[in-house]
Amino acid sequence: DAGVIQSPRHEVTEMGQEVTLRCKPISGHNSLFWYRQTMMRGLELLIYFNNNVPIDDSGMPEDRFSAKMPNASFSTLKIQPSEPRDSAVYFCASSLGVVNTGELFFGEGSRLTVL
Amino acid sequence: EDKVVQSPLSLVVHEGDTVTLNCSYEVTNFRSLLWYKQEKKAPTFLFMLTSSGIEKKSGRLSSILDKKELFSILNITATQTGDSAVYLCAVEARDQGGSEKLVFGKGTKLTVNP
Repeated sequence: DAGVIQSPRHEVTEMGQEVTLRCKPISGHNSLFWYRQTMMRGLELLIYFNNNVPIDDSGMPEDRFSAKMPNASFSTLKIQPSEPRDSAVYFCASSLGVVNTGELFFGEGSRLTVL
Repeated sequence: EDKVVQSPLSLVVHEGDTVTLNCSYEVTNFRSLLWYKQEKKAPTFLFMLTSSGIEKKSGRLSSILDKKELFSILNITATQTGDSAVYLCAVEARDQGGSEKLVFGKGTKLTVNP
């Protein structure tokens, strides 16, 4: 199994530009999570999907952030326009069911730097 | 607001030492507590705890949960340099709307020196 696949691994962009992060969950997993990790705030849940439907997006910081899951094998997190304070590592994770399966499988993260 | 607090924030020990990492929490409708290890990249799962007083063990790592006092500890005995990582505690909680969330602490950075 290839695990959770994220792209790009690294992105450096200028303030105001649109950023799109991509995630392919583990096949057969029906929950997908987007997290953001910074030194100051640790790992924060942004949004999660169950069976491709957004369940809780209360962690999405503001309207500049949006996430989609058009099918069971693909999700995107978009930031438009990006700002320097968005610089972080963005992790995608998937699990077999909703969180109470106990284990999230994380991708290797997308490190975003906004100049 | 759901909260998970880990201590210490960082710890430096020598190989062979035993360490105890702490995690306390305040969440609505607790369901489980999980420990993850994060080296350079993605967090990897260590343990899931749901019942008080039952120790989970994997090699030199063990963990226990106290649901009355709302905390968990992760013990690592005979530490090795490969144990150097950030150890994350996460608590699964269900909010009033029925949504389930995994709330992470900020982690404890463990450095094991040879």
